[in-house]
Amino acid sequence: GAVVSQHPSWVICKSGTSVKIECRSLDFQATTMFWYRQFPKQSLMLMATSNEGSKATYEQGVEKDKFLINHASLTLSTLTVTSAHPEDSSFYICSASKGIGDTEAFFGQGTRLTVV
Amino acid sequence: GQNIDQPTEMTATEGAIVQINCTYQTSGFNGLFWYQQHAGEAPTFLSYNVLDGLEEKGRFSSFLSRSKGYSYLLLKELQMKDSASYLCAVISDYKLSFGAGTTVTVRA
Repeated sequence: GAVVSQHPSWVICKSGTSVKIECRSLDFQATTMFWYRQFPKQSLMLMATSNEGSKATYEQGVEKDKFLINHASLTLSTLTVTSAHPEDSSFYICSASKGIGDTEAFFGQGTRLTVV
Repeated sequence: GQNIDQPTEMTATEGAIVQINCTYQTSGFNGLFWYQQHAGEAPTFLSYNVLDGLEEKGRFSSFLSRSKGYSYLLLKELQMKDSASYLCAVISDYKLSFGAGTTVTVRA
């Protein structure tokens, strides 16, 4: 298998502030990382696909200026929720694959974001 | 986009068998996954099917029919710890799209 570590596991922030979530592949190089959001009792919704060294590809309806994604190395991708609002409170999960076309995705532990 | 349908909830008795169906409509199909997710946790991998047929792995089996756009996950000898949400996910164009999940409740 492969290990993906996501940090922090949970975070509470004030409305209007920014929060950064890190996703690291610990024992493999992840060419591609995916960011998902999951509201209570709903499924995971893909937000964006992050490829190392290039701009992220955002899904329709996801604001790229609000959810900043940086994939600066083959082992680290970050998601920054800018100017967070209470409606951004959700469970954010990253996953990583070893290469484009590699079908298995390895998930991080998830980050519970609460905006107050 | 993808259209992935699965039942919202199922209830079964400890020791019984439950079958969770999933239908999908997608282009560029590269495979279908089943994940288990406990509340507040990340999904954990259960199975992957890319060819038609049945894949058996211990108490869990998964079936795929690509021509029908249909899969099922079979859980045998249910245990209380199997109470969780089960997510059907289809990979196409190297992206994973999830169904809404089926919440399975196992009762004693």
